[in-house]
Amino acid sequence: AQTVTQSQPEMSVQEAETVTLSCTYDTSESNYYLFWYKQPPSRQMILVIRQEAYKQQNATENRFSVNFQKAAKSFSLKISDSQLGDTAMYFCAFMKLHSGGSNYKLTFGKGTLLTVNP
Amino acid sequence: DSGVTQTPKHLITATGQRVTLRCSPRSGDLSVYWYQQSLDQGLQFLIHYYNGEERAKGNILERFSAQQFPDLHSELNLSSLELGDSALYFCASSPRTSGETQYFGPGTRLLVL
Repeated sequence: AQTVTQSQPEMSVQEAETVTLSCTYDTSESNYYLFWYKQPPSRQMILVIRQEAYKQQNATENRFSVNFQKAAKSFSLKISDSQLGDTAMYFCAFMKLHSGGSNYKLTFGKGTLLTVNP
Repeated sequence: DSGVTQTPKHLITATGQRVTLRCSPRSGDLSVYWYQQSLDQGLQFLIHYYNGEERAKGNILERFSAQQFPDLHSELNLSSLELGDSALYFCASSPRTSGETQYFGPGTRLLVL
């Protein structure tokens, strides 16, 4: 079974600064996707970014980028120019891809609570 | 707004009761996934339906069941409720099944007293 580990339960950053959230995962699969979701105080789960394991290029979405190290099974999220609205719980998630299978569930880490201070 | 809707937003009920949570996927999405978020277990996959058929089960209790209807909305039925069933229940949808991003609804917060 796959496991996802987020070793930082809580982090804080000053507005406009950069912060990196860590995620490691354990799998014997070679074909998978990785995601970061954020959950603000509203509790809505919002997709931040997605990375396909077969792609060497790290994914980027505006101020959000990842550092994907496949051999090390590491998938960190970098938030640049942090904003107050980035305050949220951030979840790293793993999706195994099957050839002909049918379970594309997400396996989540326990989350990192990020607080952006003014 | 993800385009996924869930009703009700909040539900308060008593132990032993039965409740039904409803989910409408994004327009055109055929897959619906149910997840449970609790303080002790975190976010856990419960069950996946694709175009009306059950595709996979996760850590879903026997007291829980789900179905997906021809119009593609899904319902999660929770029966013989216990205090420990109090949690936030999310559904998520995706266009098909294989390796696509899942978009989450706002969740239903269930409190069992």
